[in-house]
Amino acid sequence: DTGVSQNPRHKITKRGQNVTFRCDPISEHNRLYWYRQTLGQGPEFLTYFQNEAQLEKSRLLSDRFSAERPKGSFSTLEIQRTEQGDSAMYLCASSLDGTGLGEQYFGPGTRLTVT
Amino acid sequence: RKEVEQDPGPFNVPEGATVAFNCTYSNSASQSFFWYRQDCRKEPKLLMSVYSSGNEDGRFTAQLNRASQYISLLIRDSKLSDSATYLCVVNRGSGGGSQGNLIFGKGTKLSVKP
Repeated sequence: DTGVSQNPRHKITKRGQNVTFRCDPISEHNRLYWYRQTLGQGPEFLTYFQNEAQLEKSRLLSDRFSAERPKGSFSTLEIQRTEQGDSAMYLCASSLDGTGLGEQYFGPGTRLTVT
Repeated sequence: RKEVEQDPGPFNVPEGATVAFNCTYSNSASQSFFWYRQDCRKEPKLLMSVYSSGNEDGRFTAQLNRASQYISLLIRDSKLSDSATYLCVVNRGSGGGSQGNLIFGKGTKLSVKP
């Protein structure tokens, strides 16, 4: 399967713990995006990378959230001191620069539950 | 006002019906427009791009009215397999750092019944 992959698929953690999610984009895609989706809502943009450079961060991305893409391939999203409000589906997407500004391919997501 | 607004739904229609979804966007600088489909507990997938005056793909027709900042999706001869949530999506695309991310509407749920 050469699509976007995310790990883990599910994560249950206690409030106050740190969690880290991984995203592996489609191999030739140089853009990588993180979104968050809660029940009944569309995905909300968090941050985006072009190669290893983090080009934009949403106001939703508090200082407890950090994302990296050190070698321009896979990316990690870390949430420190988790809160119950962080419970959501975290989606990663990738695209190839120059192929259209909306043709993003999503991974299956990581569902986070904070208890 | 939300940046992308859609019909609240849900839409419950019989097989074979024609169904239309509407969407409005608030940022006149938006450059690219899309419909994504999301099945229950699955990731969103691109259904159609809407770049200029609209386009058609089989039973699906998407229209764009830039003057009214309005996008629509028409599904003809609906099938059971069309049951999903349809997300209206806009890319601000005005250059600089904001050209990468997509703005999603809340989605409209469609249920096609036999």
